[in-house]
Amino acid sequence: ILNVEQSPQSLHVQEGDSTNFTCSFPSSNFYALHWYRWETAKSPEALFVMTLNGDEKKKGRISATLNTKEGYSYLYIKGSQPEDSATYLCAFNDYKLSFGAGTTVTVRA
Amino acid sequence: ETGVTQTPRHLVMGMTNKKSLKCEQHLGHNAMYWYKQSAKKPLELMFVYSLEERVENNSVPSRFSPECPNSSHLFLHLHTLQPEDSALYLCASSQDPAQTYGYTFGSGTRLTVV
Repeated sequence: ILNVEQSPQSLHVQEGDSTNFTCSFPSSNFYALHWYRWETAKSPEALFVMTLNGDEKKKGRISATLNTKEGYSYLYIKGSQPEDSATYLCAFNDYKLSFGAGTTVTVRA
Repeated sequence: ETGVTQTPRHLVMGMTNKKSLKCEQHLGHNAMYWYKQSAKKPLELMFVYSLEERVENNSVPSRFSPECPNSSHLFLHLHTLQPEDSALYLCASSQDPAQTYGYTFGSGTRLTVV
């Protein structure tokens, strides 16, 4: 079982503010890093699959960066909205996915 | 709807019961997975099927028995479970076992063992 750490465990953000949080993973045997958004009572939804060191991906107001050499990825939410409230999971892929415990984001109106 | 359908959404069963969870996808994906999520813990891989063959059994107790009769359907047969098996069970599929394109998840079955 690989050690995939996400921090912080939870955070509260005021609507309109930007925020970011971290996923750290083993820097060896890297194949890909996945990010998922999981809203309450729904299915986890794939946001990004990142494969190259220095990758930057963007989807609307959400973006992610990847540093495979030091073993971390950041997820950024710009101008947070209440609909961004969810748990954000990262998963390290070295053939099979190992998930972190997630960062739960609550956006206050 | 996500493209991966799980039934039932909720299940309460006694420790002596036998029940089955069902997962169905019509996305043309070749790989299917069972994950377990216990409270406050990361998603835990249970089984992986690729092209209907089991390629991973992550040290799961034999009271959980998976079945993949075809590439669109995946079952998890449950028997003589323990209360600590109460959890959310998620099914997922992907285009290939290497998960190059990410998973598509179902909504999960919330299982309570009494």
